[in-house]
Amino acid sequence: GENVEQHPSTLSVQEGDSAVIKCTYSDSASNYFPWYKQELGKGPQLIIDIRSNVGEKKDQRIAVTLNKTAKHFSLHITETQPEDSAVYFCAASKMAGGANNLFFGTGTRLTVIP
Amino acid sequence: DVKVTQSSRYLVKRTGEKVFLECVQDMDHENMFWYRQDPGLGLRLIYFSYDVKMKEKGDIPEGYSVSREKKERFSLILESASTNQTSMYLCATTSGAIQETQYFGPGTRLLVL
Repeated sequence: GENVEQHPSTLSVQEGDSAVIKCTYSDSASNYFPWYKQELGKGPQLIIDIRSNVGEKKDQRIAVTLNKTAKHFSLHITETQPEDSAVYFCAASKMAGGANNLFFGTGTRLTVIP
Repeated sequence: DVKVTQSSRYLVKRTGEKVFLECVQDMDHENMFWYRQDPGLGLRLIYFSYDVKMKEKGDIPEGYSVSREKKERFSLILESASTNQTSMYLCATTSGAIQETQYFGPGTRLLVL
């Protein structure tokens, strides 16, 4: 099955700096890569996703890049703010019957220091 | 907005008890999932269901069962709770379209003593 590795496990940055979280995947058939943000006491929430026919996607201060050849994808947060502090999960999936089974990374706890 | 609710936010049970965790969604989604979340391990899929009365094992089904009698409700059952099932349990749902966003509930933190 798919194996997703995520680094780093913890990340501290000063407010206003950029944060980068990296993930690798093992199954070359994976073609969908979402990123989830989990705030304290809440379930994960999708913040951005990318499909394998695209190399980069941006949404305001967040961006995701995908390198299919190397099988890795990254989340970039620019101009970080204290409210960006949370646990971030990457995931990968491929078409599989009627349900898209996501394989998650182990999470990155991001702390933005005011 | 999609709303996914879970029956309890916190639950304390004793070893050997039968435990029911319920998840309800209001978006008429076909697919529902149960994950457990443990520090350093991320989210691991326990079971999922793509239709009423249908269920499929995920990566870690041992010690769990599920029930989906109605489309909006997906229950996770611990037949005989054990201490190693102490965890955060997350329910998620998605429509039948391929690669749609999974919407998560707030989670149930279960402590088995």
